[in-house]
Amino acid sequence: SAVISQKPSRDICQRGTSLTIQCQVDSQVTMMFWYRQQPGQSLTLIATANQGSEATYESGFVIDKFPISRPNLTFSTLTVSNMSPEDSSIYLCSVRGDRVSTGELFFGEGSRLTVL
Amino acid sequence: QKEVEQNSGPLSVPEGAIASLNCTYSDRGSQSFFWYRQYSGKSPELIMFIYSNGDKEDGRFTAQLNKASQYVSLLIRDSQPSDSATYLCAVVKGGYQKVTFGTGTKLQVIP
Repeated sequence: SAVISQKPSRDICQRGTSLTIQCQVDSQVTMMFWYRQQPGQSLTLIATANQGSEATYESGFVIDKFPISRPNLTFSTLTVSNMSPEDSSIYLCSVRGDRVSTGELFFGEGSRLTVL
Repeated sequence: QKEVEQNSGPLSVPEGAIASLNCTYSDRGSQSFFWYRQYSGKSPELIMFIYSNGDKEDGRFTAQLNKASQYVSLLIRDSQPSDSATYLCAVVKGGYQKVTFGTGTKLQVIP
C-alpha cells in the first residue's frame, strides 16, 4: 500500500483567489491522479500527472483552471485558480497500488475547499 | 446515460442481515470492477475487485459480476454497524485504465 499525505486538509477561500494543494507519496510512482468529489457526487478524475511531462486533463477540465506540477516521482501539486463557489469540493490525490492490473487506487485524506 | 450507475440510497438493513448493493455500467468493453468503501469524511478504500463473471468471496463480502447484463453487485453478510458507509462502484476499461466511479450507495446498518 501507499501512504499519501495531502495538505491543506481544509481551507476556506475567497472568490477569485487561487489555492495550491500538495500531495506527497511515500514511494516513487509513475502516475499520480487528481480527483474531485463535490457534495453528494462521485469521484471525478481531473487529470493524470506524469513526472517529466504535461498532465493529461479529462474532458471538462483545463490547465488554466487546474494547473498541475509533477517535479519528481513522489510529489505533485494541484492549483485551483480563480476560484468560485462552484469549486467548493473535496480534492483527492491518488496513486495506483502495486497490483497494477487491478486498477486499485490509494487515496490521500483529501483537501476540503470552501469558496465564499 | 451515466457510465456507472448506483442507487444513492440510503439502504437501511438491520444488524446481522445481508446488505445487497447494486451497480450497472454502460460500456461493454469494461474489464475490471471494483467496490470501494468510503466512511463519512474519509477517503475511499478498496474492499473488493472482480474480473470474471460469477461470484468472488472475501470474508463477509461477495462480489457478483454479470457482464451480459452489465451488472455488478456487492453482498455484505452479517452486516455490522461498522459497515455503515458509502459504497462506490468503480469500473476500468482496458488500455488507458481510467477508473470511473459511480455516485455511491449509502448503507446504514441499524443495531
